[in-house]
Amino acid sequence: DADVTQTPRNRITKTGKRIMLECSQTKGHDRMYWYRQDPGLGLRLIYYSFDVKDINKGEISDGYSVSRQAQAKFSLSLESAIPNQTALYFCATSDPLPSPGNNYGYTFGSGTRLTVV
Amino acid sequence: AQKITQTQPGMFVQEKEAVTLDCTYDTSDQSYGLFWYKQPSSGEMIFLIYQGSYDEQNATEGRYSLNFQKARKSANLVISASQLGDSAMYFCAMREFQTGANNLFFGTGTRLTVIP
Repeated sequence: DADVTQTPRNRITKTGKRIMLECSQTKGHDRMYWYRQDPGLGLRLIYYSFDVKDINKGEISDGYSVSRQAQAKFSLSLESAIPNQTALYFCATSDPLPSPGNNYGYTFGSGTRLTVV
Repeated sequence: AQKITQTQPGMFVQEKEAVTLDCTYDTSDQSYGLFWYKQPSSGEMIFLIYQGSYDEQNATEGRYSLNFQKARKSANLVISASQLGDSAMYFCAMREFQTGANNLFFGTGTRLTVIP
């Protein structure tokens, strides 16, 4: 099983619908992140969480909300999806200390391709 | 100001040749890490190589090496003996350890195409 699992892998939804992207991890990391990637761009931070009670906005949080249900679970919601939220979404976890054995502290999920029509 | 700048939207390299992908960064932290990731068409982010700001030697991982020039704030990726499977998007990223969220800041990427 993957260390960081994102569901669904692909999703097509209609404008105005509420949608939730889920992320679960087995790394035991406290820190979790949601990133968004648009075509031709790098990843940008949407939200991050340092523990269950610590949720913070990132660079592009408008139109998104998150929930940290447990140390292992961090969900991203689009309350009312719009077409310009069509993107590839990544969940990631981080270890405070980088080391060779854990990709120097960062582990990404496989991504969720979201299309809003 | 951009934290990470990748100025080459696309690069071509002949199979078996070496190629350098450029990356410059901007930070006031003394402690930071620089990453390179590969993103094939399937979309996943594949970790390639890491350089810590206090590491004195350039990082190497197989055919990948990182040319770290701290004074110039550059962290170029060198791929030796290119293979067809190296065709992908490549992202440079930075993690600042002293400030903020410890998130990764990404560049806009370089699309590498390996020509047979």
